[in-house]
Amino acid sequence: ETGVTQSPTHLIKTRGQQVTLRCSSQSGHNTVSWYQQALGQGPQFIFQYYREEENGRGNFPPRFSGLQFPNYSSELNVNALELDDSALYLCASSLELDPTDTQYFGPGTRLTVL
Amino acid sequence: AQSVAQPEDQVNVAEGNPLTVKCTYSVSGNPYLFWYVQYPNRGLQFLLKYITGDNLVKGSYGFEAEFNKSQTSFHLKKPSALVSDSALYFCAVRSSGSARQLTFGSGTQLTVLP
Repeated sequence: ETGVTQSPTHLIKTRGQQVTLRCSSQSGHNTVSWYQQALGQGPQFIFQYYREEENGRGNFPPRFSGLQFPNYSSELNVNALELDDSALYLCASSLELDPTDTQYFGPGTRLTVL
Repeated sequence: AQSVAQPEDQVNVAEGNPLTVKCTYSVSGNPYLFWYVQYPNRGLQFLLKYITGDNLVKGSYGFEAEFNKSQTSFHLKKPSALVSDSALYFCAVRSSGSARQLTFGSGTQLTVLP
């Protein structure tokens, strides 16, 4: 069974730039959620994707957007980067048929905005 | 709205002693409760979850958690701590009736002293 993978591991961008982060879900999982974890804080929910559509969104501005592909992999796009976007971005996959939505996390992408 | 409180930023315990990491929650409806562990520069690893039924839940690596509905608590416990248990622990909650969004606490750093 393949776990959740994310790429890249680390990324450095400058303010105003755009970034794309990628996630491959755990084998058999069809739902992907994205979280932002700022230093010293717990993860905060950005959004979830199921059947290639957004299925819930947290308190993040529209410049945070996502995609899910037919193979259930996903992208997180952030436009007009701000310094406060510096964080660990975590992807988690789950199975839509699981009513508890137990989520399994990838290792994360560390984004630094200068 | 749903929320999680982890009142202790840091817990220190001697190896071989029992450990407890505290968590209280607030949610509308019946809660689904989760514990995750995070090692340095890693993603979150699922430890255990409470759905319904028995108030004592057993999980990975000898951890267990006790659900208390009247106190709205879900404390993580282990009878005998190991140095390798030293990590950052997160409690999370979602409502059984709402969108599939996990809300995390701010985390508790557990240090097991040899």
